[in-house]
Amino acid sequence: LAKTTQPISMDSYEGQEVNITCSHNNIATNDYITWYQQFPSQGPRFIIQGYKTKVTNEVASLFIPADRKSSTLSLPRGSLSDSAVYYCLVALYSSASKIIFGSGTRLSIRP
Amino acid sequence: NAGVTQTPKFRVLKTGQSMTLLCAQDMNHEYMYWYRQDPGMGLRLIHYSVGEGTTAKGEVPDGYNVSRLKKQNFLLGLESAAPSQTSVYFCASSPGQETDTQYFGPGTRLTVL
Repeated sequence: LAKTTQPISMDSYEGQEVNITCSHNNIATNDYITWYQQFPSQGPRFIIQGYKTKVTNEVASLFIPADRKSSTLSLPRGSLSDSAVYYCLVALYSSASKIIFGSGTRLSIRP
Repeated sequence: NAGVTQTPKFRVLKTGQSMTLLCAQDMNHEYMYWYRQDPGMGLRLIHYSVGEGTTAKGEVPDGYNVSRLKKQNFLLGLESAAPSQTSVYFCASSPGQETDTQYFGPGTRLTVL
């Protein structure tokens, strides 16, 4: 099963670009990479999903190198409201039964 | 459109008691999931369902049972609660594949004394 590794925590400042990297060395050919955001006392919320190269939406960008063994979530200009826990998830496209959330990265944005 | 709702929001049990957590979704999603999240930890999949009448084990299924009698509802049961089951329980649903976006409920905070 593809497991993910992320930094436990990160600090940044308001207005700065934030990049959170996730390692997934055992990713399979059909696996997608999905990032979720979680605020205290709430369920996770989908941010972005990708398979390869680059994906961008109104919230973030996701960069995936050619070997797909890692991915980077990028928030273009961090705001205080971006302070949350971010989870990198390798979703198993096959019939495998397990979806694995890692421990996540606790991002703190300071003024 | 309420999305995913969970009942109850909070519950305190004594060791050995039983209870059922209810998850309901109004998005006509095929897949539903139950996770637990312990303090400072990520989510761990307990059980999931790929359609009405089906259930399957996730990463940490022991001590829990589930049922999906109706497409919109996914029940999580604890037959004999233990203190180790003190956690926050999240339900989620997705349209129809493991790669689909999961939509999460607000969670149920369960304490077992």
